[in-house]
Amino acid sequence: AQTVTQSQPEMSVQEAETVTLSCTYDTSENNYYLFWYKQPPSRQMILVIRQEAYKQQNATENRFSVNFQKAAKSFSLKISDSQLGDTAMYFCAFMKSHSNYQLIWGAGTKLIIKP
Amino acid sequence: SQTIHQWPATLVQPVGSPLSLECTVEGTSNPNLYWYRQAAGRGLQLLFYSVGIGQISSEVPQNLSASRPQDRQFILSSKKLLLSDSGFYLCAWSDTSGGYTFGSGTRLTVV
Repeated sequence: AQTVTQSQPEMSVQEAETVTLSCTYDTSENNYYLFWYKQPPSRQMILVIRQEAYKQQNATENRFSVNFQKAAKSFSLKISDSQLGDTAMYFCAFMKSHSNYQLIWGAGTKLIIKP
Repeated sequence: SQTIHQWPATLVQPVGSPLSLECTVEGTSNPNLYWYRQAAGRGLQLLFYSVGIGQISSEVPQNLSASRPQDRQFILSSKKLLLSDSGFYLCAWSDTSGGYTFGSGTRLTVV
């Protein structure tokens, strides 16, 4: 069975700094998707970034980028120039291809951006 | 554009009372629909998912049930709530590329 592990329960950084959130996963699948979701205090779940496993190029969305290491089964999220609005829970998630699109979730990392 | 509506936002119900949470999607057809529950400070637990009208798959045995009476409507129900049913409930839909869109959630407190 697939599992997703986020080893950092909580992190805090100063505004404008760069922060990296870790995620590892375990699977025997070759085709899958990986996601980072953000859940601010409002608890609305928001997609931050998505990576297809067949793509070697790391996904980037503005200040957010990933370091996808398929062999190591690692999928870390880097937030550059962090802003107060980045304060949130961040969840890493895994999805098999052809799986009715069910997500396997990590336990989350609470990120606090300090002014 | 696609939107998802979930209500109510907050609900306080006594133990033993019934429950009905509703979720509707607009701007897409035949979406995959999901109900998740999130305990405070924890990750998401998949409760039910549906790939079509009347098709419901349950992931966790419990006193909750789900129904999909229309293509873009997904309902979470209970006949008798338990204290352990308290939590934050999220509805979501996914498209064929696997992208998820979540509703704004319902905070349920069973007293």
